Amino acid sequence: QSALTQPASVSGSPGQSITLSCTGTSRDIGTYNYVSWYQQHPGKAPKLMIYDVSDRPSGVSNRFSGSKSGNTASLTISGLQAEDEADYYCCSYAGSSTHVVFGGGTQLTVL
Amino acid sequence: EVQLLESGGGLVQPGGSLRLSCGASGFTFTNYAMSWVRQAPGKGLEWVSAISGNGVSTYYADSVKGRFTISRDISENTLFLQMNSLRAEDTAVYYCAKGDRAGQWLASSFDYWGQGTLVTVSS
Repeated sequence: QSALTQPASVSGSPGQSITLSCTGTSRDIGTYNYVSWYQQHPGKAPKLMIYDVSDRPSGVSNRFSGSKSGNTASLTISGLQAEDEADYYCCSYAGSSTHVVFGGGTQLTVL
Repeated sequence: EVQLLESGGGLVQPGGSLRLSCGASGFTFTNYAMSWVRQAPGKGLEWVSAISGNGVSTYYADSVKGRFTISRDISENTLFLQMNSLRAEDTAVYYCAKGDRAGQWLASSFDYWGQGTLVTVSS
């Protein structure tokens, strides 16, 4: 069982906007603004899409955005494209005992 | 260009040991915290261990504490993971990952990842 909870799967049509959720606790997401999101295509290494809740690394499309409310972080993908079909993982700093935790991942399907 | 290249994976019996390496290039190695993240077949990502840029501070997930040791050789720009008392549940692809900003003791976001090395624990 992962420390952060993500829906197993989400789907959307090209051009739509979808939001992926990531639920933690007051010991991680609820306290720290160190939430990151990763995109992983089959057989590939993860790619950083969002860091510090809502910041985007250079080179990542502005169709990707992040936010946080309470113990839940969200990744929104606007203008969904076929190439966005992948697994998405959230990650958070979790304090001096647990350190770093990942979510179980969400498989995004573009219909 | 930042590059991370893992090696050392393979098949090992339960109770055995293995040492993973991650060669780093394209950035000032001592400025960045590094981590190991693993992914069991068909499963999600799991953070395993981390080390500060100067190698002084190390961190471990409870699942590997006491069995795994992370270290780094700054003269060789290489990250290591010594894995002892291996169990079937340690079977996974192991990725090394670079912290995304200089000066951190412990990175919780990772901007570059290696291609991974597969560790299989089985008799």
